[in-house]
Amino acid sequence: GAVVSQHPSWVICKSGTSVKIECRSLDFQATTMFWYRQFPKQSLMLMATSNEGSKATYEQGVEKDKFLINHASLTLSTLTVTSAHPEDSSFYICSPGLAGINEQFFGPGTRLTVL
Amino acid sequence: KQEVTQIPAALSVPEGENLVLNCSFTDSAIYNLQWFRQDPGKGLTSLLLIQSSQREQTSGRLNASLDKSSGRSTLYIAASQPGDSATYLCAVNGNNRLAFGKGNQVVVIP
Repeated sequence: GAVVSQHPSWVICKSGTSVKIECRSLDFQATTMFWYRQFPKQSLMLMATSNEGSKATYEQGVEKDKFLINHASLTLSTLTVTSAHPEDSSFYICSPGLAGINEQFFGPGTRLTVL
Repeated sequence: KQEVTQIPAALSVPEGENLVLNCSFTDSAIYNLQWFRQDPGKGLTSLLLIQSSQREQTSGRLNASLDKSSGRSTLYIAASQPGDSATYLCAVNGNNRLAFGKGNQVVVIP
């Protein structure tokens, strides 16, 4: 399957700071990247879909100015949580959209804890 | 909006028993259904993918069935092992969007 990496794997930050999460596709080119969030004991919820070279599409209820997504290349997408608050503490996972392939693969996730 | 439900939410079985995990979804207009495994604090590992035209898929001790008309899928794990302890997630793909259940948390007791 596709190999996806995320960095960092975990991060602890103070309230009000910004945190950037990187998602890299290591063995393929991803024109689309899905970003998910998972709270404890909950299902994964799609936050936004990014497309290389264009603006991301955000799901209802997700603030685009708070969760900045950049998909500048076919192998790298970043999610920046701006002015983080404790309620943003969650597990963030990326998943590349592979053209012509139905199976979905996921990164190892980033655990964000905001104090 | 697609709603995905997984039952039971949690279960414990002795080693060697077969596992049966259920997934139901409300909208039968799907492209495919995928089962994942998630270990604590980790990402998702793809187990099986069933296309909407298929009835089942098998990989080793794992077998997944799909009844699209009734909105159900079942994941069978034969002869469970302690290493099978994890959370199993069902994801339904409709219009290139995945809808996830909350998972079946499985503990296999040695």
